[in-house]
Amino acid sequence: EVQLVQTGAEVKKPGESLRISCKGSGYSFTNYWINWVRQMPGKGLEWMGRIDPSDSYTNYSPSFHGHVTMSTDKSISTAYLQWTSLQASDTAVYYCARQSFSGNYYYAFDIWGQGTMVTVSS
Amino acid sequence: EIVLTQSPGTLSLSPGERATLSCRASQSVSSSYLAWYQHKPGQAPRLLIYGASSRATGIPDRFSGSGSGTDFTFTISRLEPEDFAVYYCQQYGSSPCNFGQGTKLEIK
Repeated sequence: EVQLVQTGAEVKKPGESLRISCKGSGYSFTNYWINWVRQMPGKGLEWMGRIDPSDSYTNYSPSFHGHVTMSTDKSISTAYLQWTSLQASDTAVYYCARQSFSGNYYYAFDIWGQGTMVTVSS
Repeated sequence: EIVLTQSPGTLSLSPGERATLSCRASQSVSSSYLAWYQHKPGQAPRLLIYGASSRATGIPDRFSGSGSGTDFTFTISRLEPEDFAVYYCQQYGSSPCNFGQGTKLEIK
């Protein structure tokens, strides 16, 4: 079965660091980009950026560039989303989603992780 | 940056009725890289339509999409009880891969 399995819920204090993970299985991990999507409480979906696991090339949304870091460890088919200093406004559910591509043709986000709830509160 | 505007914000209908949702882009979406997702509380979003009009694997044919350029439509021909959820359009052909703000489809 093709799936993305994410880290469980996290509760952190402002200023703390955090890394959440997204582990792919059932497919060739390096053949698909991994995207990260945020959903703040009561709000819609926001695209944060994506990473190519084959070479770790990243493409961040301007809204998130400099605030989070995306990385992968292809040896264990896992993608990461990292913060060095969390803020209360980072409280949200974070989803990872895979995306295929073929040359210059792109595909939609067909498989999603179950989401990781991150709560930042003093 | 392409901005997507969905309408209506909320749609109240009864099971068996037809639902029509709209997604308008601030500029042309290249190669019809337009997708529709269904999102229910506590679940991951689910891909329904890609390429503006192609159904994803396993998606029932009561779900359909159409449009090109800047105007796109998503239709559910006959609503089933499990179809009540939030629906998002997304363009994925250029960065940033923005989503619309969503349409909440609720039971009337």
